[in-house]
Amino acid sequence: AQTVTQSQPEMSVQEAETVTLSCTYDTSENNYYLFWYKQPPSRQMILVIRQEAYKQQNATENRFSVNFQKAAKSFSLKISDSQLGDTAMYFCASPFGSGNTGKLIFGQGTTLQVKP
Amino acid sequence: GAGVSQSPSNKVTEKGKDVELRCDPISGHTALYWYRQRLGQGLEFLIYFQGNSAPDKSGLPSDRFSAERTGESVSTLTIQRTQQEDSAVYLCASSLYGTYNEQFFGPGTRLTVL
Repeated sequence: AQTVTQSQPEMSVQEAETVTLSCTYDTSENNYYLFWYKQPPSRQMILVIRQEAYKQQNATENRFSVNFQKAAKSFSLKISDSQLGDTAMYFCASPFGSGNTGKLIFGQGTTLQVKP
Repeated sequence: GAGVSQSPSNKVTEKGKDVELRCDPISGHTALYWYRQRLGQGLEFLIYFQGNSAPDKSGLPSDRFSAERTGESVSTLTIQRTQQEDSAVYLCASSLYGTYNEQFFGPGTRLTVL
């Protein structure tokens, strides 16, 4: 069965500093996408960043970047210059099942607290 | 434009009652997903609709759960004879077809079964 593992239930970081959230996954697919979603206290899930597995270059979106290690099946999220608004639960997600369905399996999440 | 909406935002029910949760996806999104999120946990896939194709019900935890979608619009998730373990937030998401597309989530319905 495909799995997504986030080994850090909780993390904290000082405002303006950098933090890295870890994620490992298991898939039998050759070409796939990986996602990081953010869920603030409002409960609204928001896409933070996505990575195409066949691209060697790591994805970046402003202060957010990933370290994608395909052979190790590792997909970590780096947040630079942390802001108070980054306080949220972060979920790593991977597609599962056959076909181009978009069904996602999510990790258990990492709660990030940004401290002033 | 309008995002994904869900109603009700909160629902409290008694054990054994039936509940119906509603999701209005973004117009033009052919794919629609339901997920369940237990307290402090990740999201569990429940069901997937794509256009007029037969839904993928592989994530439904029991036959008490069912869902329908009218064409490419509104979807309802029905839970019959609710149990306390059904208490969770139920999230709906919609997207364009394809694994690479961003899923846009609604705010969820918090279901509490007493």
